[in-house]
Amino acid sequence: QLLLQESGPGLVKPSETLSLTCTVSGGSMNSNNYLWVWIRQPPGKGLEWIGSFFYSGTSYYNPSLKSRVTVSGDTSKNQFSLKLTSVTAADTAVYFCVRYVRFSDQLDHWGQGTLVTVSS
Amino acid sequence: QSALTQPASVSGSPGQSITISCTGTSSDVGNYNLVSWYQQHHPGKAPKLIIFDVTKRPSGVSDRFSGSKSGNTASLTISGLQAEDEADYYCCSYAGSNTVLFGEGTKLTVL
Repeated sequence: QLLLQESGPGLVKPSETLSLTCTVSGGSMNSNNYLWVWIRQPPGKGLEWIGSFFYSGTSYYNPSLKSRVTVSGDTSKNQFSLKLTSVTAADTAVYFCVRYVRFSDQLDHWGQGTLVTVSS
Repeated sequence: QSALTQPASVSGSPGQSITISCTGTSSDVGNYNLVSWYQQHHPGKAPKLIIFDVTKRPSGVSDRFSGSKSGNTASLTISGLQAEDEADYYCCSYAGSNTVLFGEGTKLTVL
């Protein structure tokens, strides 16, 4: 059974960098069939796609966040990561790591999510 | 990229049917048959995939859930409403170049 687990600090100061890692178990990231995705949900708001990582090393970003986001991966460790720079209170959210099935638009396996609060 | 447009809320009585719309553009919903729907019972908890490829249901999802698309608008229909269907629902569309867009979300209330 494929499992995804987010890890990282739950509290980040304004203007600093938010860093999260997703560890994938029960399956390999090395597949042409999937993208490895970060999605967030601010309190009381909807879902927002942040960016994704393809096993070949290519990453794709939400244009509205592109200037501040880096999504990377280490397929040898079965992990992928998110870095979001210059954070503000508006970046406070639950962050999910998710597997996306290409050519089928399925976000089929989700991590449990981790709340990151931006506050001094 | 703007979020796909969904009604903020819909409601229905047990046994009735409801439909939630999801309107995008010719660059996303209208250009690809790659629309999925997600059910989220608790904000901040992982959503559940209920429809993919516009009309397909994952194994284990009730056939009371169905999807369709016409032009730039996709729809989710829930028939035979049950109390357990009360949740937030999000549509999602492929938008090209390995990017996706979510809808704003719709809160379903079962009266």
